[in-house]
Amino acid sequence: DIQMTQSPSAMSASVGDRVTITCRASQDISNYLVWFQQKPGTVPKRLIYGASSLESGVPSRFSGSGSGTEFTLTISSLQPEDSATYYCFHHDSYPWTFGEGTKVEIK
Amino acid sequence: EVQLVESGGGLVQPGRSLRLSCTGSGFNFGDYAINWLRQAPGKGLEWVGFIRSRDYGGTPEYAASVKGRFTISREDSETTAYLQMNSLKIEDTGVYYCSRSRITVSSRLDNWGQGTLVTVSS
Repeated sequence: DIQMTQSPSAMSASVGDRVTITCRASQDISNYLVWFQQKPGTVPKRLIYGASSLESGVPSRFSGSGSGTEFTLTISSLQPEDSATYYCFHHDSYPWTFGEGTKVEIK
Repeated sequence: EVQLVESGGGLVQPGRSLRLSCTGSGFNFGDYAINWLRQAPGKGLEWVGFIRSRDYGGTPEYAASVKGRFTISREDSETTAYLQMNSLKIEDTGVYYCSRSRITVSSRLDNWGQGTLVTVSS
């Protein structure tokens, strides 16, 4: 099975900061990588698909990059509404799996 | 508007069974694979499994944690997919979501239902 390792597991940053979350796959998954955002008590929301394609309606401060085994989600200028947990997810070989999540808090 | 609605959750004793439903509307249900995912209280997301569309054989795949206990099926005439959960364990407690996907990268898990809560407890 492919393991997805996210880092950090939690972080605190100020409004306006640039935030980077990393996701590492245990083997090559090409660009079969999705990033989700989940706020407490809500359904996960897809932000990025295909490792780098921005979901329609998602603010352009969010971006994804990477391929193979190393991926990043970047928030270029953190906003208060970005406080949430972020998950990476691979859909290469079965079983598909999520990373453990990164909780982003606003200072 | 694309909608997915889960139902069938509730309180069940360990070792018992429960069947969840996922009903879709606003899209051609038969063209999509249907995924089941779950989230234990205070924990992360877990992909449970999925069932392919009929065009791709209509066959399922499962996570190791549920293989042999859970069965995913679909009835396209009713635009509904099912998750039959047998031999339930306490650790199966959580919110269960369904989501759709197609072969294209852009269509993977783009829409989710609101979820249904399953509580396994004696």
